[in-house]
Amino acid sequence: QVQLQESGPGLVKPSETLSLTCAVSGYSISSGYYWGWIRQPPGKGLEWIGSIYHSGSTYYNPSLKSRVTISVDTSKNQFSLKLSSVTAADTAVYYCARGGRVERSAFDIWGQGTMVTVSS
Amino acid sequence: QSALTQPASVSGSPGQSITISCTGTSSDVGSYNLVSWYQQHPGKAPKLMIYEVSKRPSGVSNRFSGSKSGNTASLTISGLQAEDEADYYCCSYAGSSTKVFGGGTKLTVL
Repeated sequence: QVQLQESGPGLVKPSETLSLTCAVSGYSISSGYYWGWIRQPPGKGLEWIGSIYHSGSTYYNPSLKSRVTISVDTSKNQFSLKLSSVTAADTAVYYCARGGRVERSAFDIWGQGTMVTVSS
Repeated sequence: QSALTQPASVSGSPGQSITISCTGTSSDVGSYNLVSWYQQHPGKAPKLMIYEVSKRPSGVSNRFSGSKSGNTASLTISGLQAEDEADYYCCSYAGSSTKVFGGGTKLTVL
């Protein structure tokens, strides 16, 4: 079955860049589907960060767009998130998830999430 | 792009039915039949329960149903069970290839 696994540093210093990778198993990213990143600050709700198609087309949350880059590496069957100039407000559990065949579809498969703390 | 509005909490007794509302605007919920609902147990990843307003993924109990009227979508859980106690989030397509989530609702099974 399709599985997603996030990985990356659990601690990032303020003003630096947060970098996470989502490894996909059980399905080839090149075959289609949109893939997304969602985050959840401690004790708070979910926030959509952005999504990407295997072709590289990207869609970002307008409130984060200036700091976010999502990329895909089909050779490694993974996609990545970079969030620049982080502050304490970016402390959250970051999830990667599979969207549907079109960019407006729901996220049907999620990774377990990875906690990222922004602190000096 | 503002978060969709959900009640902070709802509660019900086993066997009862509850409904969670999700209010957006004419730019998101009201314009598209693309509302989804997610269940999240503590410390776990969200799980898709409803998509495209009222469709259930394979494996999701038919006790879960969704609907929409105007700018407000709703999730109804019938025959409430202890295992339904969780946080629930709505999400809507908001145009221009963007999505917006609700603030979340904590369901307590009494």
